[in-house]
Amino acid sequence: GAGVSQSPSNKVTEKGKDVELRCDPISGHTALYWYRQSLGQGLEFLIYFQGNSAPDKSGLPSDRFSAERTGGSVSTLTIQRTQQEDSAVYLCASSLVLRFGYTFGSGTRLTVV
Amino acid sequence: AQKVTQAQTEISVVEKEDVTLDCVYETRDTTYYLFWYKQPPSGELVFLIRRNSFDEQNEISGRYSWNFQKSTSSFNFTITASQVVDSAVYFCALSEEGGYGGATNKLIFGTGTLLAVQP
Repeated sequence: GAGVSQSPSNKVTEKGKDVELRCDPISGHTALYWYRQSLGQGLEFLIYFQGNSAPDKSGLPSDRFSAERTGGSVSTLTIQRTQQEDSAVYLCASSLVLRFGYTFGSGTRLTVV
Repeated sequence: AQKVTQAQTEISVVEKEDVTLDCVYETRDTTYYLFWYKQPPSGELVFLIRRNSFDEQNEISGRYSWNFQKSTSSFNFTITASQVVDSAVYFCALSEEGGYGGATNKLIFGTGTLLAVQP
């Protein structure tokens, strides 16, 4: 696609429920990143994919968080048993090569009530 | 370890003033990339500039200019003749060279500087 697409744009969920956030990167971009931005905070790295593999998962905050990428394209970030502290904007970015920079999606705003 | 520090949490200026946003970084790599992103109230992250560690030339793009100084590990951003539309949070970020043909594993962001330009 023309840009990085994320869905849903907004998600309200009850504490304890599981949620899935989707990222559709720019076609052909081999690298995909997930970040989290809590209210008034900077961006926190979560996970990086190169193709379908994830060489860096160091930012995932707990084992309730997982992500996968299939076909070298779409990625899904799953949060199990959501907690109120999971409320944040989850941003996805993709890149072909670093010298061309990263393109970010518009994010999914997750609210856990 | 990688680290990006944006010491200015908030800056408020009056339209037409010049303003400089500071960014100091830490890295052990000799090859790295520095970025500035703008996040307006709408929330999307807008790419402004990327600079690699071997290019210390300053860059100017319209009212925007960037001063990269390896000696002080700084990559400062200046907006000349600020406008209300410049109001946003500005993030500085660092990425180290890695494998995979140049794409590395992550951007490390500073905490951002909120710029408010008053009319």
